Order: sequence, then C-alpha cells, then structure tokens
Amino acid sequence: EIVLTQSPGTLSLSPGERATLSCRASQSVSRSYLAWYQQKPGQAPRLLIYVASSRATGIPDRFSGSGSGTDFTLTISRLEPEDFAVYYCQQYDTSPTFGQGTRLEIK
Amino acid sequence: QVQVVQSGAEVKKPGASVKVSCKASGYTFTSYDINWVRQATGQGLEWMGWMNPNSGNTGYAQKFQGRVTMTRDTSISTAYMELSSLRSEDTAVYYCAIPGPLTYDPSGYYPFDYWGQGTLVTVSS
Repeated sequence: EIVLTQSPGTLSLSPGERATLSCRASQSVSRSYLAWYQQKPGQAPRLLIYVASSRATGIPDRFSGSGSGTDFTLTISRLEPEDFAVYYCQQYDTSPTFGQGTRLEIK
Repeated sequence: QVQVVQSGAEVKKPGASVKVSCKASGYTFTSYDINWVRQATGQGLEWMGWMNPNSGNTGYAQKFQGRVTMTRDTSISTAYMELSSLRSEDTAVYYCAIPGPLTYDPSGYYPFDYWGQGTLVTVSS
C-alpha cells in the first residue's frame, strides 16, 4: 500500500496569499496518478486536480498541481475566502489511498 | 448533469449489517465503476472498493474483504454497499464516488469526479 503523508497539517494564511500544500508518497507514484480534493464541512470532497497537474472541469486556474515520483504539490496562487477548507491528496496508481489532509484556515 | 443520491442515515447495533444505496443519473449507469469511500468523524478518507455496474465485477480493499459486498440494480441505476459484522469503528459517513469521462480507466484506478451526499452510519449498542 502506498502511504501518502501531507504537510503541513494546518496552514494559516490570509485571503490573497499563496498557499503551498505538500503530499509525499512512500513509494513512487507511476504515471503521476495523483489527485487533489477539496472538502468543506458537511460536504463531499470535490476533485480539483488529477494526473498531478490537470485541473478538473470547472476548477479555477488559481489552483495548480505539480510534481512526480514521490513528491507532489498543490498551489493556490491567490487565496479566495471560499478556498479555506481541508485538502486531500489521493494516489490511484495502485489500490487507492488518501493522505490525512491539510487544513487551510484563515489567519 | 450527473447526480448521485444516497440513502438516508442508519443506526445499527454491533454485529448487524447495513446496506447503503447510491442512485446515479445524468449518464449511462453502466459506463463507469461505482466506488465507495468512507470517512469517520473528523478523520480522513478511506477507499473501500469498486464495482463495475455493467459486469457486476468487484474489487475490495483488503481491509474490508469478507465483510463488504457491492451490488447493483441496473434497472433503477442504483448501486448498493453492504457492510456486515458492524463494530463501533465502522461509524462513519459512507460516500459513493464515480469517475468521469476524462478520468476513467476501466483497466486500472482513477480519481472521483462525482460524489454522493454521504450516508451517516452509526454503530452503537
């Protein structure tokens, strides 16, 4: 099983700032089969990024993904108030697993 | 547009079984696998397995092998997830999750574009 470790656990930023979230895999994720989700309280997760860097349908271009192998990053270029939420990475190279999440909170 | 609607909350006693339904619309039901993901309160996401609605083939995470059964009724575009021998640690929100046309890979795994609203299953004596 590929274990995903996200950092930091909590990120405190202000609207307008840039957010950088990390996801590290215990072994290489081939074909960059890595996705990112956003989840708000009481809601289902929402797909943001797949194949490490492709934005899902309807996702604003302030969200971008990068990385390969074992290290992946989600960047939100300029935070909007609605971006404060929990973010999860998921690998789907093998039987799917998720990271433990990064909470993005308003500073 | 794709809509995914799950059945309502359940309360079960330890040792019992629960069956959660997931009705999908807005696309051809047999086109994409149905997956199940659960989330304990305040915790992360845990993938449980997949089912191909066309063939009925399934694949379960090792943790749930022997306790989970995924089925479907194509006549009503509905998938089901049944979890048996419930224990308190199974208390969680259960989601069905479906890939989209740009992400689906029938020969492997994929991310999930569409999610149900979640079904809270509470296991308590």
